[in-house]
Amino acid sequence: GENVEQHPSTLSVQEGDSAVIKCTYSDSASNYFPWYKQELGKRPQLIIDIRSNVGEKKDQRIAVTLNKTAKHFSLHITETQPEDSAVYFCAASMGGNTPLVFGKGTRLSVIA
Amino acid sequence: SAVISQKPSRDICQRGTSLTIQCQVDSQVTMMFWYRQQPGQSLTLIATANQGSEATYESGFVIDKFPISRPNLTFSTLTVSNMSPEDSSIYLCSVVPGPVEDTQYFGPGTRLTVL
Repeated sequence: GENVEQHPSTLSVQEGDSAVIKCTYSDSASNYFPWYKQELGKRPQLIIDIRSNVGEKKDQRIAVTLNKTAKHFSLHITETQPEDSAVYFCAASMGGNTPLVFGKGTRLSVIA
Repeated sequence: SAVISQKPSRDICQRGTSLTIQCQVDSQVTMMFWYRQQPGQSLTLIATANQGSEATYESGFVIDKFPISRPNLTFSTLTVSNMSPEDSSIYLCSVVPGPVEDTQYFGPGTRLTVL
């Protein structure tokens, strides 16, 4: 089955700097790659996703890149703010009504 | 998107007892998913619940321990049976709202503590 590796497990950045989180997946059949943000005591919230027919997607300060050949995808957050502090999870699936396989998460701390 | 509610939001239970968690969605969905999130950990799929058929369980999860019901297209329950402290986790349901969508939305979760 699918296996998703995520690095780093913790990341501290100064406010205004960029943060990058990387994930790799094992199943070449996976074609949908979402990123979730989970604040303490809250449910995971989708922040951005990408499908395998696209190499990059951007939404304001957040971008995701996908390299299908290497089976890795990355989350980029620019101009980080203290409210970006949370745990971020990458995931992979075959899209549609198929379950997600999650990475282990990255705890991002943005220091003011 | 989808509006998903779960009951209870949290509970503290004694070992050996069972707890049933309810998940309600504001629209009809084909599949509902149940995940477990142990303290400080990632999300792990327990099972996939399709209306009108038996749930499909992931490796390491069995129906006797985690029976699931899916009586209609907007509702599902997960029971955690014969609980032990190792079952202390957050249990989340999730759905994909439409037949041509990929985005999965999560309920608020049920925080279970077993003493």
